[in-house]
Amino acid sequence: AQSVAQPEDQVNVAEGNPLTVKCTYSVSGNPYLFWYVQYPNRGLQFLLKYITGDNLVKGSYGFEAEFNKSQTSFHLKKPSALVSDSALYFCAVRPTGANNLFFGTGTRLTVIP
Amino acid sequence: DAGVIQSPRHEVTEMGQEVTLRCKPISGHNSLFWYRQTMMRGLELLIYFNNNVPIDDSGMPEDRFSAKMPNASFSTLKIQPSEPRDSAVYFCASSPRIIYEQYFGPGTRLTVT
Repeated sequence: AQSVAQPEDQVNVAEGNPLTVKCTYSVSGNPYLFWYVQYPNRGLQFLLKYITGDNLVKGSYGFEAEFNKSQTSFHLKKPSALVSDSALYFCAVRPTGANNLFFGTGTRLTVIP
Repeated sequence: DAGVIQSPRHEVTEMGQEVTLRCKPISGHNSLFWYRQTMMRGLELLIYFNNNVPIDDSGMPEDRFSAKMPNASFSTLKIQPSEPRDSAVYFCASSPRIIYEQYFGPGTRLTVT
């Protein structure tokens, strides 16, 4: 079965420290991978994607993600967290041949001043 | 571009009433997706269209739910009759191509009493 997992419901990090939000997937073929962010009372906002090429993908607001095929992971990272990064983060995967995205359950990131 | 536009932003209705949610995708996008978000079930894909044609409606929970896309700039999601368990935030998203990233609207918060 196709799936994507975000093992942490909640991640807390101090402002200025590096942050990591984890995502692993279980799909066939070579998937497309995405990260979205959701601020309170807002829709999901696209951050970055991996389709092919360099395993390190850079996106909006200083975020980046590393595709690791052997570990089937696509963790979201940022070198220095801001309080304004506090939000709900979703990983999503589009399996090969599929048209739709499968979303993880989300990870709530809290950056502590 | 104004992004994906959804209306209304909030809807409160009584059980048994008909509810119609509206979506205007980003101009030039040929794929449109309807999602439902709840605390219990997370983000669920209800139905998606490509070039105004419904491709997969397997996520539509019951026959009470229906969706249409009469043209490239407008889609509706209708619930008739509505029930309290339909209370959720409903998102519309569009994509320039069905396999690419999706851009979400601000959502409609539906409360059925």
